[in-house]
Amino acid sequence: RKEVEQDPGPFNVPEGATVAFNCTYSNSASQSFFWYRQDCRKEPKLLMSVYSSGNEDGRFTAQLNRASQYISLLIRDSKLSDSATYLCVVSGGYQKVTFGTGTKLQVIP
Amino acid sequence: EAQVTQNPRYLITVTGKKLTVTCSQNMNHEYMSWYRQDPGLGLRQIYYSMNVEVTDKGDVPEGYKVSRKEKRNFPLILESPSPNQTSLYFCASRVLGRKETQYFGPGTRLLVL
Repeated sequence: RKEVEQDPGPFNVPEGATVAFNCTYSNSASQSFFWYRQDCRKEPKLLMSVYSSGNEDGRFTAQLNRASQYISLLIRDSKLSDSATYLCVVSGGYQKVTFGTGTKLQVIP
Repeated sequence: EAQVTQNPRYLITVTGKKLTVTCSQNMNHEYMSWYRQDPGLGLRQIYYSMNVEVTDKGDVPEGYKVSRKEKRNFPLILESPSPNQTSLYFCASRVLGRKETQYFGPGTRLLVL
């Protein structure tokens, strides 16, 4: 079983739609959780950290469920500029960092 | 400007010819990493370093070496490159704590013939 699993997609959604991605992780000792965004052939960039209490940044909402070991990302009112690959990331503090393989989102006009 | 730089950005080489990819960060971060990214496999951590002279293996360290003699630099060394090391490589520096973030370099595309 992969340490971090994501549905690779692609998710093709119309502009204005709401889309949700999930990610599961296997190591219950994991401490920190993130969503990164990666545009084609570019470096990943932090989208948002994920906290147990849930957190929101504009149109983006992230949730962590430690009991079920999954992380979610909700994007509301999708824009064309949201088209990218979304990477789920899990780390154990000072130790290694594990990336999911990513979920590709394509927002269609 | 806070940044991570990598050189070279593109490299074509032949099997067995030693090469070094440099990585430098100007943010005074203690933690740095190297990743490779391959289709269908995502980003996989090769090595990481928690501070000067402290390095540890990630998920795919075979065939790679690193060193951390100064805080700002973390070069990746391929002593004898092979075609299965053809990949896109990213260096990253990381700030830990409440505002944990990784900052990635622009990537190095390596082709080993």
